[in-house]
Amino acid sequence: GNSVTQMEGPVTLSEEAFLTINCTYTATGYPSLFWYVQYPGEGLQLLLKATKADDKGSNKGFEATYRKETTSFHLEKGSVQVSDSAVYFCAHSPTTSGTYKYIFGTGTRLKVLA
Amino acid sequence: DAGVTQSPTHLIKTRGQQVTLRCSPKSGHDTVSWYQQALGQGPQFIFQYYEEEERQRGNFPDRFSGHQFPNYSSELNVNALLLGDSALYLCASSLWPSGGGELFFGEGSRLTVL
Repeated sequence: GNSVTQMEGPVTLSEEAFLTINCTYTATGYPSLFWYVQYPGEGLQLLLKATKADDKGSNKGFEATYRKETTSFHLEKGSVQVSDSAVYFCAHSPTTSGTYKYIFGTGTRLKVLA
Repeated sequence: DAGVTQSPTHLIKTRGQQVTLRCSPKSGHDTVSWYQQALGQGPQFIFQYYEEEERQRGNFPDRFSGHQFPNYSSELNVNALLLGDSALYLCASSLWPSGGGELFFGEGSRLTVL
C-alpha cells in the first residue's frame, strides 16, 4: 500500500551543522512529494515539493531531490539555524485523478542548539 | 489574504459526547480536507469535500462525518466520542483537483476526550 517512512527523531544539532532527514515512500504510479514543517503551536506549512523524478525542490536553504530509483526524498540543509527547530513531515500525494489522499510520515523533530 | 481558519482552537469533551469542528478555507479555495494528528504522529486523512460532497474518505468509522457549505466552509462532526479520538484535527484547503497540489493547513483544533 501507500506509505511514507522517515527517520525517527529527535535530531539534535548545533547551529551551522549539516542536516539530513531521510524519507522513503511506497506508492502506485508517480506521486508528488512534499516536505511540510510544523513549528510549535502552528499548523503545517509547505516547505518544498517535487512533482516528477529528478526534480529538486528547494526553499529557505532546504533541498530535496525526487529519486524514483530509490523511492526517496531526503531533506538536506547545509547550515541549520536555531529558528529551524520544528517537526518536519515527509508526504506524498497521487497525481492521478480520483484520489486525493495525502500520506504523511510520522514526523522528525529537529532541535538546533545555539 | 486570510489563510485557513479553524474553530475552536481547544476543547474538552467526555466519552460519548458529540463534537463539531469548523473550518474556513483559504480565500479562493474550493476543496477542504480533514486530518487527524495524534500526539507524536503524522496527520491521517479523514475525508475530503468538494462541491458539498464527500469525494474521498480515509479509514475512519462512520462516527466521523462532515459537511461542506455553499461558501466552501466545512464542519467535521464526531459522534460517540472515545478516548482515542483525542488529537489535533487539522483542516486543509486546496483547489480542485488537488492531487499533486499544495495543501494549506489551519492551526488545528485540539480535542481532548476525558
